[in-house]
Amino acid sequence: DAGITQSPRYKITETGRQVTLMCHQTWSHSYMFWYRQDLGHGLRLIYYSAAADITDKGEVPDGYVVSRSKTENFPLTLESATRSQTSVYFCASREDMTGANVLTFGAGSRLTVL
Amino acid sequence: AQKITQTQPGMFVQEKEAVTLDCTYDTSDQSYGLFWYKQPSSGEMIFLIYQGSYDEQNATEGRYSLNFQKARKSANLVISASQLGDSAMYFCAMSPAIAGGGNKLTFGTGTQLKVEL
Repeated sequence: DAGITQSPRYKITETGRQVTLMCHQTWSHSYMFWYRQDLGHGLRLIYYSAAADITDKGEVPDGYVVSRSKTENFPLTLESATRSQTSVYFCASREDMTGANVLTFGAGSRLTVL
Repeated sequence: AQKITQTQPGMFVQEKEAVTLDCTYDTSDQSYGLFWYKQPSSGEMIFLIYQGSYDEQNATEGRYSLNFQKARKSANLVISASQLGDSAMYFCAMSPAIAGGGNKLTFGTGTQLKVEL
């Protein structure tokens, strides 16, 4: 199916465990993003990528690692999960274009860290 | 740094009425873009409307319009003829409008809209 898909949609883990959230897009968009959504904070940018093998930090990168070996995939890893990382995580992508920066979002991954 | 402020945590509107969701922003950039996204209870983020800072006309998309007042740094969303399906969380966002610079889309905290019969 065309679009942007995230997996898993729901995940429960324990403090200290490693968790990877997957993001896959079928449009060959250059830019991909990871946001977290928390009540009272809206969406905050964790990491983004301008192309394969090019990543950069966003507003709240601590505790997260990303990679982008292929254009279509942008996994987000929590190397040692903490309770403060309980959140809804959104992956997004956009074309490499000037002007409007319209992001297309995945359905979100709800992560609970116990 | 860019900042978006949405001061209305929750709003109620009656079906078929118009409603305005407030958004103010702060930026030192000369060129930027303003966006509104809708998040229904199912959780997905849906793009609604975009306004460029140099656009002279207010953006419109069907029942959505963006009331852009540059001097006041406001970008309010107006929904006309509200429908029950408009009940959702609405986010205002902005980004620099430079090539490749739209990496940092900054969001407000959102306004929960409830449309009543």
